[in-house]
Amino acid sequence: GDSVTQMEGPVTLSEEAFLTINCTYTATGYPSLFWYVQYPGEGLQLLLKATKADDKGSNKGFEATYRKETTSFHLEKGSVQVSDSAVYFCALSGRAGNMLTFGGGTRLMVKP
Amino acid sequence: GAGVSQSPSNKVTEKGKDVELRCDPISGHTALYWYRQSLGQGLEFLIYFQGNSAPDKSGLPSDRFSAERTGGSVSTLTIQRTQQEDSAVYLCASSKRTSGGAETQYFGPGTRLLVL
Repeated sequence: GDSVTQMEGPVTLSEEAFLTINCTYTATGYPSLFWYVQYPGEGLQLLLKATKADDKGSNKGFEATYRKETTSFHLEKGSVQVSDSAVYFCALSGRAGNMLTFGGGTRLMVKP
Repeated sequence: GAGVSQSPSNKVTEKGKDVELRCDPISGHTALYWYRQSLGQGLEFLIYFQGNSAPDKSGLPSDRFSAERTGGSVSTLTIQRTQQEDSAVYLCASSKRTSGGAETQYFGPGTRLLVL
């Protein structure tokens, strides 16, 4: 079945550092890929998505590129801020009905 | 308009009791999803609705779990004879449709269930 693997956290960075959170997936066919973010005390919200190979999703300075050859969708940001502290979930949608399969989540902590 | 709403926000119950969790999707969204977020299992899919029908119930953990949707809108997730392992945050999400693969799902704030 479908699965998503992402790096375990917590990831602790200083403000303005470069961020990478690795995500790889296993799926049949051609899934859509997503990054969702959960800020403290808030619900899950979509950060970015990509629907086909080589697509790049971007939002709020975050980027991720759909790499079919490596089945990856790594999340990057050039300069993190304290306000980026949250839990980040990589997910895919590939089955009929479009239900999401999530990775385990990565907690990011950014220190001033 | 308003986002996805869920009630109650918190529920504490005793083992063996039944609980009902409610989800109000975004108006006009035909697809509705239930997920569960727990420490041991992460985020897992439970069931989805297209309109009032539930084509895929494969994620429901046991026959103690059931869900319904009426009028293509509100959905209720019912857990009968609750067990301590049912303690989790139950999330509801909605999207415009279930086809196409790239539809964004909008999540509610969740119901935090604690079974004592």
